[in-house]
Amino acid sequence: DAGITQSPRHKVTETGTPVTLRCHQTENHRYMYWYRQDPGHGLRLIHYSYGVKDTDKGEVSDGYSVSRSKTEDFLLTLESATSSQTSVYFCAISDDRGGTEAFFGQGTRLTVV
Amino acid sequence: SQQGEEDPQALSIQEGENATMNCSYKTSINNLQWYRQNSGRGLVHLILIRSNEREKHSGRLRVTLDTSKKSSSLLITASRAADTASYFCATAAGGGADGLTFGKGTHLIIQP
Repeated sequence: DAGITQSPRHKVTETGTPVTLRCHQTENHRYMYWYRQDPGHGLRLIHYSYGVKDTDKGEVSDGYSVSRSKTEDFLLTLESATSSQTSVYFCAISDDRGGTEAFFGQGTRLTVV
Repeated sequence: SQQGEEDPQALSIQEGENATMNCSYKTSINNLQWYRQNSGRGLVHLILIRSNEREKHSGRLRVTLDTSKKSSSLLITASRAADTASYFCATAAGGGADGLTFGKGTHLIIQP
């Protein structure tokens, strides 16, 4: 497996609380992505980063923010979790802007109750 | 909105048979990729085909791309029980940095 680690792997949180998911890579890849996976929707892009402090929104960015202060870490924050954000979240890395393969983490299963 | 759409949504075949999955997409692409996801795991890259390629092979995998029809197919030959998984196509837009756009996937079950 590529050196990409997501933490935590599982989390249950209450509606309205802030939640931060972490993605850590040891591959020194420039591009990092956060996706969510829901039944019937496949994977949808939330936010992505193309360098330290360089981030942009994806298809389903509302309610989420990200930060990348170091090449190896990409954080996804749910400012005030809602039940609609119950999902499995995947981090991915690549060394090209979609021109090469992406490597995925094992996922974080988040449940908002 | 989803760029790629896989067909069928689910496929069940006997071990040893060939499995074919199709993917359609909507806009111009730089490349198209196929990924596999085993239950409860992350996605694993299988094969990438560029927009100027028509066919590509990797082991038991064969991918075709028809840019005029905006479609691709993934063929797995001589299927094995271990091939049971969900398969996703993903497209990379030309010149964009916005990652990959995934379809909803085909769930493949190989019956022993």
